[in-house]
Amino acid sequence: GAVVSQHPSRVICKSGTSVKIECRSLDFQATTMFWYRQFPKKSLMLMATSNEGSKATYEQGVEKDKFLINHASLTLSTLTVTSAHPEDSSFYICSARDRRLAVTDTQYFGPGTRLTVL
Amino acid sequence: SQELEQSPQSLIVQEGKNLTINCTSSKTLYGLYWYKQKYGEGLIFLMMLQKGGEEKSHEKITAKLDEKKQQSSLHITASQPSHAGIYLCGAGPSGNTPLVFGKGTRLSVIA
Repeated sequence: GAVVSQHPSRVICKSGTSVKIECRSLDFQATTMFWYRQFPKKSLMLMATSNEGSKATYEQGVEKDKFLINHASLTLSTLTVTSAHPEDSSFYICSARDRRLAVTDTQYFGPGTRLTVL
Repeated sequence: SQELEQSPQSLIVQEGKNLTINCTSSKTLYGLYWYKQKYGEGLIFLMMLQKGGEEKSHEKITAKLDEKKQQSSLHITASQPSHAGIYLCGAGPSGNTPLVFGKGTRLSVIA
């Protein structure tokens, strides 16, 4: 089945540093990937839609200068948390849709990246 | 915008018992996804329903989408400790749009 990987799975960084999270579709191409954030014991919240070759679309309230998204290829999207602060600590999950499948078909989720900012 | 409401918010059942989780949408569902999540881990895709009246099963988990396509239920038969986790329903009009999620149902299975 389709696999989406994320790297790293866990990262701990100091306040003020930047962290890059990768989302890869391993056996399919994805023109669209989505980035979600999950707060403890709460549901997923969409942060942005990443489109290959174009700028990401951010949800209201998400700072695009803080959460930089790059979808450089059909199999890779990156989320960079710039100047991270403790309040950015969270679980970040990406999902991707196989471009070959019908638009109503399922999205595939990555395993998530746990970011802890000290 | 579409909203999904899940009930119950949390559930504690004894091992071997059956249970049902509901997901109700404010709008017609064109694709309803059920996911399971162990806390802090990624989502595990369970199944997707699209057609009114559709029912799918995977091992001891059965999901149904009602005829009006506004409500889905997830039923677990003879629950086991391995079923414990957070169950999320998600919906989206198409694969090109991000999913909207319910707040999840936290399931605990006790021996």
